[in-house]
Amino acid sequence: AQSVTQPDIHITVSEGASLELRCNYSYGATPYLFWYVQSPGQGLQLLLKYFSGDTLVQGIKGFEAEFKRSQSSFNLRKPSVHWSDAAEYFCAVGVHTGGSQGNLIFGKGTKLSVKP
Amino acid sequence: KAGVTQTPRYLIKTRGQQVTLSCSPISGHRSVSWYQQTPGQGLQFLFEYFSETQRNKGNFPGRFSGRQFSNSRSEMNVSTLELGDSALYLCASSLGLAGGQNTQYFGPGTRLTVL
Repeated sequence: AQSVTQPDIHITVSEGASLELRCNYSYGATPYLFWYVQSPGQGLQLLLKYFSGDTLVQGIKGFEAEFKRSQSSFNLRKPSVHWSDAAEYFCAVGVHTGGSQGNLIFGKGTKLSVKP
Repeated sequence: KAGVTQTPRYLIKTRGQQVTLSCSPISGHRSVSWYQQTPGQGLQFLFEYFSETQRNKGNFPGRFSGRQFSNSRSEMNVSTLELGDSALYLCASSLGLAGGQNTQYFGPGTRLTVL
């Protein structure tokens, strides 16, 4: 079954520190992978996506993610976190056979808090 | 290009009432998907419309329905509201059918509170 796992429900980092949010997926075919960010009470904003090619993809707001097929992972990274990065982050995989889950399968999200 | 817009942004209703939410996709996008987001259940897929036809449906009761118009704008309706329907309702649009490489872009959401 297709699924996305974000093992960390909540992460706290200090401002200026580096960040890595983990994402593992389960999907039998070529994965199309996305990271979205959601500020409180807002919609989801697309940070970056991976379809093919270079396994390190750059996104908005200084974020990047690395696709590792052997580990079925698509971890999100940022070298230096800003207080404005505090939000919830969702990893997702685009499929064609999601059925009642829909064709964009989301992880449960990781809430990021930033300490001053 | 304007993003996905949703109206209204906030709504307060009482149990037993019905509600209609509206979504205008990005210009040129033909697919609109709806999601319900709650703290307990997270993001849950409601349905997807493409070219005025429902293409996919989540596991929600028949009280939840939707439609899409010829200009790709979409509405969703919830009848006989229950307290558990209180949630953030998100709409997303994509150029083609959702899934695969078709990137979904989300609106700001409608916050529905049922009293």
